[in-house]
Amino acid sequence: GAGVSQTPSNKVTEKGKYVELRCDPISGHTALYWYRQSLGQGPEFLIYFQGTGAADDSGLPNDRFFAVRPEGSVSTLKIQRTERGDSAVYLCASSLESGLADNEQFFGPGTRLTVL
Amino acid sequence: SQQGEEDPQALSIQEGENATMNCSYKTSINNLQWYRQNSGRGLVHLILIRSNEREKHSGRLRVTLDTSKKSSSLLITASRAADTASYFCATDEMNLGGKLIFGQGTELSVKP
Repeated sequence: GAGVSQTPSNKVTEKGKYVELRCDPISGHTALYWYRQSLGQGPEFLIYFQGTGAADDSGLPNDRFFAVRPEGSVSTLKIQRTERGDSAVYLCASSLESGLADNEQFFGPGTRLTVL
Repeated sequence: SQQGEEDPQALSIQEGENATMNCSYKTSINNLQWYRQNSGRGLVHLILIRSNEREKHSGRLRVTLDTSKKSSSLLITASRAADTASYFCATDEMNLGGKLIFGQGTELSVKP
């Protein structure tokens, strides 16, 4: 079946604008994760969902960042009043279920966000 | 904050040689996973090793885990130019619902 998909693949916006990044997980995967990766760094955890609820949002940098997953499938990461420091690749991953001993996560291709 | 530390940060070898990358971490884990990334985009899952396992093989990949030293290594045997990529270890910490904590990665260059 299809893997994790993310749209758009690239997003260029101006400082202060609002952006939405979308993630379509693998069908049947109940857990969904968002990560952010800056140039030359490893991905950093932002938030994860088990089903519709955000189980852990401890990685969100501040209240400009918000994510939803209203039907337990597609998720949207929302960033308000974007800043240049938000520029990064935003990665989404899904897995069968969080908390499994073999919780293998499958990653999407990412959205490269550039804030001018 | 990132937990893992990887070394070396960069590794350059000739085709046919073996490549070894190391990863250290700080807390108790459920498992440790290795990923590969080309050109700063999507991560490809390579191998997962559980905390009660010591060694695992997959094709040309061999992963070891030493929970007493909180370290892991990834060995790629008989490397190919196509193995050129960044390699990341990621830990799945206990009681944290499966979120992964990544290291900073090793950039591997395999010269033909």
